[in-house]
Amino acid sequence: AQSVTQLGSHVSVSEGALVLLRCNYSSSVPPYLFWYVQYPNQGLQLLLKYTTGATLVKGINGFEAEFKKSETSFHLTKPSAHMSDAAEYFCAVSVRSQGNLIFGKGTKLSVKP
Amino acid sequence: EAGVVQSPRYKIIEKKQPVAFWCNPISGHNTLYWYRQNLGQGPELLIRYENEEAVDDSQLPKDRFSAERLKGVDSTLKIQPAELGDSAVYLCASSFIQGGDSGANVLTFGAGSRLTVL
Repeated sequence: AQSVTQLGSHVSVSEGALVLLRCNYSSSVPPYLFWYVQYPNQGLQLLLKYTTGATLVKGINGFEAEFKKSETSFHLTKPSAHMSDAAEYFCAVSVRSQGNLIFGKGTKLSVKP
Repeated sequence: EAGVVQSPRYKIIEKKQPVAFWCNPISGHNTLYWYRQNLGQGPELLIRYENEEAVDDSQLPKDRFSAERLKGVDSTLKIQPAELGDSAVYLCASSFIQGGDSGANVLTFGAGSRLTVL
């Protein structure tokens, strides 16, 4: 079975600072990894995903994540936070031919002016 | 293109009452999901449909929850009777899976239906 752990339910950064949201996964087979973002009163929206190939994945709005198999991690980063980045971020895992996503508990990102 | 449409957006009911949620997926998407998101938690799958067939309903509490997907398009999720612990946001999502690897597909989510049971 797969699982996801997101370290830190709430992260606060200043505008212009580095954003780092942590995600560790557990899977007995090669995983597929996703980051979704949820703005208030909206549905989840895909930021980026890793399936195969390049381990550094670039997504929308300047976010990127790196798949590190040795560390079972898929941390999300953005060099410079913007006020509009304030939202809740979810890491999720699935595996080949499994149509279900297993989500972490989420990390709420606050951006201070 | 319209996204995944859910209704109602908000519902407040008393315990033991029934409630139903409706979902219209993106046109052409053959796979539909219902997730439940409790406060402070990530979404958890309730049921997944591929076309009209429920291919995974292992997490659906079948004593009080039911779902259907008519003609492989719209779907309804029903709770009867509702309990206090059912208060949550019910998310519908859809995707298009064409052979290949279903694990890599991207889900498009609706805005959710927030249920409060008093």
